[in-house]
Amino acid sequence: KAGVTQTPRYLIKTRGQQVTLSCSPISGHRSVSWYQQTPGQGLQFLFEYFSETQRNKGNFPGRFSGRQFSNSRSEMNVSTLELGDSALYLCASSLNFVTDTQYFGPGTRLTVL
Amino acid sequence: KNEVEQSPQNLTAQEGEFITINCSYSVGISALHWLQQHPGGGIVSLFMLSSGKKKHGRLIATINIQEKHSSLHITASHPRDSAVYICAVRLGGSQGNLIFGKGTKLSVKP
Repeated sequence: KAGVTQTPRYLIKTRGQQVTLSCSPISGHRSVSWYQQTPGQGLQFLFEYFSETQRNKGNFPGRFSGRQFSNSRSEMNVSTLELGDSALYLCASSLNFVTDTQYFGPGTRLTVL
Repeated sequence: KNEVEQSPQNLTAQEGEFITINCSYSVGISALHWLQQHPGGGIVSLFMLSSGKKKHGRLIATINIQEKHSSLHITASHPRDSAVYICAVRLGGSQGNLIFGKGTKLSVKP
């Protein structure tokens, strides 16, 4: 069974631009979660989707948004990029976000110049 | 004060040693996760606990809900165990967000 895939793997943007990251979960998984990892703050929870509905949201500004499609694939969008948005963005999928093990993708490394 | 505290921050061990990493939290939770992150970024979920103890190979995780504390033990440590180990708690109640510890960097020397 294929693992969680994320595209693109690396991305360079400039301040003020917007970016869309994509996550394809393991087949059959209906839950997708997104995380931001930086050297200073460590791992932080962004949001979590189950069956196309956002179930939980972390403490991030409204510039960060996401959605999940009917095939469980998910996208996250960051608008008006800031230098501080440079980070590794990870997604994870599971059968059920409450009770099931999460399987992480390799991440998208975003650099904002 | 962080809601999830891990100790130690850094740990160096000799191959074969028994290792313990601790996680304390100050919030009500529905579950606790232990994650492993190798250099290069890949994260693997090791355990998800809501009570008691779980074992997988040389890894053992325990949780004491009353004391709000969890431990991750590695028996007969090996250099391939070198990684960052991260504790995360899922908040109880309707919010359900995940909060992460800062991680423990483990280095096992041959």
